[in-house]
Amino acid sequence: DGGITQSPKYLFRKEGQNVTLSCEQNLNHDAMYWYRQDPGQGLRLIYYSQIVNDFQKGDIAEGYSVSREKKESFPLTVTSAQKNPTAFYLCAITRQGKHFGDGTRLSIL
Amino acid sequence: KQEVTQIPAALSVPEGENLVLNCSFTDSAIYNLQWFRQDPGKGLTSLLLIQSSQREQTSGRLNASLDKSSGRSTLYIAASQPGDSATYLCAVRPGGSYIPTFGRGTSLIVHP
Repeated sequence: DGGITQSPKYLFRKEGQNVTLSCEQNLNHDAMYWYRQDPGQGLRLIYYSQIVNDFQKGDIAEGYSVSREKKESFPLTVTSAQKNPTAFYLCAITRQGKHFGDGTRLSIL
Repeated sequence: KQEVTQIPAALSVPEGENLVLNCSFTDSAIYNLQWFRQDPGKGLTSLLLIQSSQREQTSGRLNASLDKSSGRSTLYIAASQPGDSATYLCAVRPGGSYIPTFGRGTSLIVHP
C-alpha cells in the first residue's frame, strides 16, 4: 500500500540470533500494527502502538519486541526466544480501515 | 470472542463466471467489515469497507453486502477474470476496538 514501507522483503535468521524488521509510514498516522501470517491461517496480531512511546501486546507477543520512538517508524524485533519465527510479517496502519505494507518473509537458516 | 469464518476455503472457476465469497461472524456488535485481496507473497490490498450502518458497498465489478443480524457478509465478483485470482480475506472490527479479527481467506483461481 502506498505510504507504508516494509524492509527487507526477505530475511534469514540464524539460531540464537535476533533480527529486526522495519516498518515506516509517511501517512502521519498515529496507530501502527504488526501481524504474523502463517499458511492457511488468518492474520494474528503481535503488537500495536496507538501513539509514540506507547505500545500494547497483541495475541502472540511472546518472543517479539517493538519500539515506537518516532511516529513514522515501528520496528519489530524477532528475538531468539521465538522458537518458530518462520512466517510472513505484515505491518499496518488504520485509515478508513486497515492498510498494509508489502510484508517481510522471515526464514530460518 | 469474535470468530470469523470464510467459506469456501478454495474456489476454482472458469473465466466470465459471477461468483460469491462468504464471510460469517459470531458477534453482530461490529464497527465495520473490510474485504481484502492478497496476491502471493504480497501484503493485503483493501477492496471494500462497509460500516455497520451500511448494507453494501460497490467498486467496479465488486459488490460487498453486510447483514449484521445474521452475521454475514458476501463479496460478489461479476464477470470474473484470470487477474482476479488471489486470496480474499475479510476482517471484522468490533465496536469499541481498533483490532479486527481476520478470517482465513478464500483462495480463488479463475482459469481462462
